Amino acid sequence: GENVEQHPSTLSVQEGDSAVIKCTYSDSASNYFPWYKQELGKRPQLIIDIRSNVGEKKDQRIAVTLNKTAKHFSLHITETQPEDSAVYFCAASPYSGAGSYQLTFGKGTKLSVIP
Amino acid sequence: GAVVSQHPSWVICKSGTSVKIECRSLDFQATTMFWYRQFPKQSLMLMATSNEGSKATYEQGVEKDKFLINHASLTLSTLTVTSAHPEDSSFYICSASQNSPLHFGNGTRLTVT
Repeated sequence: GENVEQHPSTLSVQEGDSAVIKCTYSDSASNYFPWYKQELGKRPQLIIDIRSNVGEKKDQRIAVTLNKTAKHFSLHITETQPEDSAVYFCAASPYSGAGSYQLTFGKGTKLSVIP
Repeated sequence: GAVVSQHPSWVICKSGTSVKIECRSLDFQATTMFWYRQFPKQSLMLMATSNEGSKATYEQGVEKDKFLINHASLTLSTLTVTSAHPEDSSFYICSASQNSPLHFGNGTRLTVT
């Protein structure tokens, strides 16, 4: 099965600086890579995703890059703000059919943005 | 947008009792739903894949007789934790998708005393 490794487990940055979280995956059949932000006690919220036919995707201050050959993908947050503080999870999935994705999650990164 | 509703949001039960958690897709049909468990400060771990009209597929190490899953319609999947024990206390989250992306329910905080 798929195995997703995520680093670092904790990350502290000054407000306004950039934050980078990296993930690797093992299953070459995986073709969908979402990133989730989870605040304490709440459900994960999708913040950005990328598919294997794309190398990079950007949405305002958030970007994700994918290197299929090396089987790794990264989340980049620029101009960080205190409200970016949360736990971030990467995930990987092959397409399960019928419009469904069975995700394997990384262990999470606790991001703290220091004002 | 697609919404997944999960109920209850929290429940406290006594050891030995059973608890049922519902997961509904509100504006789309989901032939497949997923159930995750999340212990404090840990990642989401897939427990099982719920398939409408057929038996659920359980991940290794998850007891199918303890965590009963029923997916009787295209919009509802239920997870029943049977004979609950304190170690079953956790945050249970369901998810479903329609093409993509995956949508999560709000989760259920289960505390077994």
